[in-house]
Amino acid sequence: DAGVIQSPRHEVTEMGQEVTLRCKPISGHDYLFWYRQTMMRGLELLIYFNNNVPIDDSGMPEDRFSAKMPNASFSTLKIQPSEPRDSAVYFCASSLQGVETQYFGPGTRLLVL
Amino acid sequence: AQKVTQAQTEISVVEKEDVTLDCVYETRDTTYYLFWYKQPPSGELVFLIRRNSFDEQNEISGRYSWNFQKSTSSFNFTITASQVVDSAVYFCALSEGSNTGKLIFGQGTTLQVKP
Repeated sequence: DAGVIQSPRHEVTEMGQEVTLRCKPISGHDYLFWYRQTMMRGLELLIYFNNNVPIDDSGMPEDRFSAKMPNASFSTLKIQPSEPRDSAVYFCASSLQGVETQYFGPGTRLLVL
Repeated sequence: AQKVTQAQTEISVVEKEDVTLDCVYETRDTTYYLFWYKQPPSGELVFLIRRNSFDEQNEISGRYSWNFQKSTSSFNFTITASQVVDSAVYFCALSEGSNTGKLIFGQGTTLQVKP
């Protein structure tokens, strides 16, 4: 069975550009999570969805970040405009239920120059 | 507020040694879940274990074992007879509440197993 799929795996962009990260959760999972990992802040939850509806976006750093889940098999995290401090590894995870185990994708390593 | 503390930033052992990774948590919830994840050098996050707050039985899976003690709010992870392939960053995590999917992660412990 396919796990969580993320694309791209690596992204290098210049400051001010729009960045779109993509995620396909495990089929049948109702919850989808976006995390960011940096050396300074560790792993932090940005936003999560239940049945395609955003439940908690309190971790989204600022208005430059937005996330959507148009259907059960696809989600995007967009940064516009990007800044060097957005450089991080972004993980997507999914779970059957809210408190069930979250399975993580391979991550997208973003570098903003 | 919920919090997870992994006081050991880095641990270095020689292959075949046993090693214990500490995890201490804080929560006001009576029902909660605890997790361990492994992040090898390749970068992915690999699920190891999930434990709910009502199950204090220790768990063993091969060379891995977990000791959950509610009295001390700890959920420690022991690797027996460590191997070089165990070298990774290990994260302990706590669910925020009994009904949400929000995970609070510790800062991680980097384990280096030398041959």
